[in-house]
Amino acid sequence: EAQVTQNPRYLITVTGKKLTVTCSQNMNHEYMSWYRQDPGLGLRQIYYSMNVEVTDKGDVPEGYKVSRKEKRNFPLILESPSPNQTSLYFCASSPHRSAGYTFGSGTRLTVV
Amino acid sequence: GQQLNQSPQSMFIQEGEDVSMNCTSSSIFNTWLWYKQDPGEGPVLLIALYKAGELTSNGRLTAQFGITRKDSFLNISASIPSDVGIYFCAGLNYGGSQGNLIFGKGTKLSVKP
Repeated sequence: EAQVTQNPRYLITVTGKKLTVTCSQNMNHEYMSWYRQDPGLGLRQIYYSMNVEVTDKGDVPEGYKVSRKEKRNFPLILESPSPNQTSLYFCASSPHRSAGYTFGSGTRLTVV
Repeated sequence: GQQLNQSPQSMFIQEGEDVSMNCTSSSIFNTWLWYKQDPGEGPVLLIALYKAGELTSNGRLTAQFGITRKDSFLNISASIPSDVGIYFCAGLNYGGSQGNLIFGKGTKLSVKP
C-alpha cells in the first residue's frame, strides 16, 4: 500500500532532550515535507526537501533540523525541544513539485 | 509570507444541504488543492486544480480554480454525515525548484443527521 509512515504516533518528552521523528515513504517521491498543525494556526511548513541531500526552510524552521540521506526517509530532529514545540506534526511526500502531497497520520508531540 | 484566507471558519448544516467554502489570496498560485482531515488523521487530497478557470468534480465535490488565480472554491452537494471534518484549501507555487504548499486555516464542517 502506498503510504507515508511516521513514528512515533505519540510522544511525551522533557525540555532539552533531543528527539527524532522518523518519516518514510514507499512511493519513490522526490519531494518530502514536514508540517506542524496548531489550533487556530492551521498547517505550517517547517522544512521541505526536493531530493536527496537537497533541503530548504519552510515558514517555521527555528528549532528543527532535517536530513535527506535517502530518497525514502526524511527525519525531523529536535535538538533541544521546548514546550512551544508541543504540536501535531505531519510528514508528507509528493512525486513532483506541481502535485499535491500525500500526508502521514501524524505525530502528536508534547514537551513538558 | 503568503497567506490564504479561508471562509467560513466553521459550518453547521443539516444532512442533505449543499455546502460552499472558499479561499482567497493576495498572491497568485499555480495550483490549488483541497484536502479533508478527519479527527486523528492526516489531510487527504480531494481535488487538485492546475489551470485558471478549471472546474473539477470528484463525486459530490466540485472545485474551481479562480480566473484571477488568487482564489478557489469547493462545493459539496447533498451532504451526508461522513462529510464531517475539516476542509483545507492549499495553494502551491513552484517557481524554480520550490514546492512550497501554503494552507488555509480550514473550514470545520458539522452535519446534523
